[in-house]
Amino acid sequence: GAVVSQHPSRVICKSGTSVKIECRSLDFQATTMFWYRQFPKQSLMLMATSNEGSKATYEQGVEKDKFLINHASLTLSTLTVTSAHPEDSSFYICSAPTSGGLQETQYFGPGTRLLVL
Amino acid sequence: AQKVTQAQTEISVVEKEDVTLDCVYETRDTTYYLFWYKQPPSGELVFLIRRNSFDEQNEISGRYSWNFQKSTSSFNFTITASQVVDSAVYFCALGGLTGGGNKLTFGTGTQLKVEL
Repeated sequence: GAVVSQHPSRVICKSGTSVKIECRSLDFQATTMFWYRQFPKQSLMLMATSNEGSKATYEQGVEKDKFLINHASLTLSTLTVTSAHPEDSSFYICSAPTSGGLQETQYFGPGTRLLVL
Repeated sequence: AQKVTQAQTEISVVEKEDVTLDCVYETRDTTYYLFWYKQPPSGELVFLIRRNSFDEQNEISGRYSWNFQKSTSSFNFTITASQVVDSAVYFCALGGLTGGGNKLTFGTGTQLKVEL
């Protein structure tokens, strides 16, 4: 299957700092990528849709000023958690459909575990 | 609104037993897509299958099989002769136009534990 990578895989930061997470599609181009958040023993919740060349679309209840998304190229989307707080500690996962078609199979990155102290 | 229900929070079986994971979905879309993903302890989501709403054929892939029943809005997943390596959380997911193209709605997941 298609490969999606994330970096870093794990990050520990102090409260108030900003953390950037990268999501890359390694063997295909992705005009759209998705960012999910998963709290322990819970399901994945979609945070936002990252669109190459335009603004991200955020789900209801997700603060766009806190979770900055930049889709810099057809293979890279970044999520920046600004002024992180302990409640932002979670598992962040990105995904990308393999083509621009509707409901193409999405492949997920390995995830980034964020711990805010 | 789209919704996916995985009523089984946790299932424990002994190796070599068959196990079925249930998934019930709700959607107003006439065309939609169903997925199963496996999430081992490492956290990475592994794609298992995608099924289109207009294709009700059941599918078998090795020890895995899927039963899609539109009449009951269910998309159940069966593992035959389970193995310890099957231990993971399994998520059923739904996508459709209501969700906005490629967005997925996930169920709450079923934790499968396969013991020796």
